[in-house]
This record gives sequence, C-alpha cells and structure tokens, in this order.
Amino acid sequence: GAGVSQSPRYKVAKRGQDVALRCDPISGHVSLFWYQQALGQGPEFLTYFQNEAQLDKSGLPSDRFFAERPEGSVSTLKIQRTQQEDSAVYLCASSLADNYEQYFGPGTRLTVT
Amino acid sequence: AQTVTQSQPEMSVQEAETVTLSCTYDTSENNYYLFWYKQPPSRQMILVIRQEAYKQQNATENRFSVNFQKAAKSFSLKISDSQLGDTAMYFCAFLRTTGANSKLTFGKGITLSVRP
Repeated sequence: GAGVSQSPRYKVAKRGQDVALRCDPISGHVSLFWYQQALGQGPEFLTYFQNEAQLDKSGLPSDRFFAERPEGSVSTLKIQRTQQEDSAVYLCASSLADNYEQYFGPGTRLTVT
Repeated sequence: AQTVTQSQPEMSVQEAETVTLSCTYDTSENNYYLFWYKQPPSRQMILVIRQEAYKQQNATENRFSVNFQKAAKSFSLKISDSQLGDTAMYFCAFLRTTGANSKLTFGKGITLSVRP
C-alpha cells in the first residue's frame, strides 16, 4: 500500500496566522508520531498517538501547538499564531505498534515570514 | 533521558570506497534499538539499518553494516562500495523499548557526499 503522506508539502504563513498540517499514516498503523526538524538538525519529537489517544505531548514547544487524531487514522498538527521560530520541516511517522519500525512521510516545510 | 551524539558534521568519500560514520549514545536503559536513517535532499527519511541491543551480532544490510559496541555505547555505520546515490544526511537514532511511547531520539546528523 501507499506510504505515509503529508500535506501540504510546503506552506508559507505570515506571522500570526494559524496553520494546519495533515498526516495520512499507513493503513492499519496504530502509532503516529510528529517530529519537528530545524534546518541542518535532527528531528525532535513533538507528540505521539496510539490510535486516537494522545499519550505524550511533552515535545510540543508551546500551547500554540495542538495535535489531534480523532478517528485513529489521519492526524492534524495545528499551530496557532505562528512565529518565525516555528519555521521548520514537520515530519509525521507511523508504525504498526509501539517499538516497531517507524515509517516517515515526506514532511511539510513551514516558512513563517 | 537518552542522548545521541554525532560529532562529525560532514564527510566525503570517493565512489566505490568505504566510509564509516560515527555515533555515540547515552542511556540507562538496557533494552533498546538503534537505527541509522538516511535523508536524501528530497527529505524522505528512509531506514537504512537497525540493531537490537540484546543482539551481539552486528546487523548487516547489503553494503551497510554496523559496529555496535554496547559497553562503549558506540554505534557506527560502515558503507562499503559507496555509490553516488548514498549522498545524503545520515541520522543515528535511539528507540527505548520498555514502556509505551516509542519515540525516536535522533543525533544531529552527518552530511555524506560521495564524489564521482
């Protein structure tokens, strides 16, 4: 089947705007992860879902960041009142279950101007 | 908390030669996995190789092999017969396997350039 898909691939937002980033995991994958990757750096964990339950959101940098996965499949990462420091690539990954290999999507490159 | 260190920011290798990428990590866990991921300029992260900490035998995948030294907390990647398509950023990553939330902890990455 298809791999992990993300949309949009590129997003330019003016400072203060709200954005929504979508992730479609591999069908049947229970676990879903969001990572933030700054330019030239390794990805950093943001949040984790097991089915529809958000079990860990310790990596979200501020309360402007919000993620959901209401039906245990598609997930949306929302950033309110975007700031320049939010500029990064946002990666989504899914895995069959905990402790299994994670498959990554192509990422969404967010640029806040 | 776990940390992963990749101290070499970039490396270059001639096509067909062998190159080794270094990684060290720090953890108090006894059960975990270690990974090397490749991220080409297109940015899709691809798994290269995986090592379970409980296995003494080093993992091998075609031209890719690792040197896993658990006591030294070292996990290097050897790429044999380098190809132009190996040009990419390479990330070492740690995965705890006890408890829920198997989030990956990544190093900063190394940029590998294969010269023709």
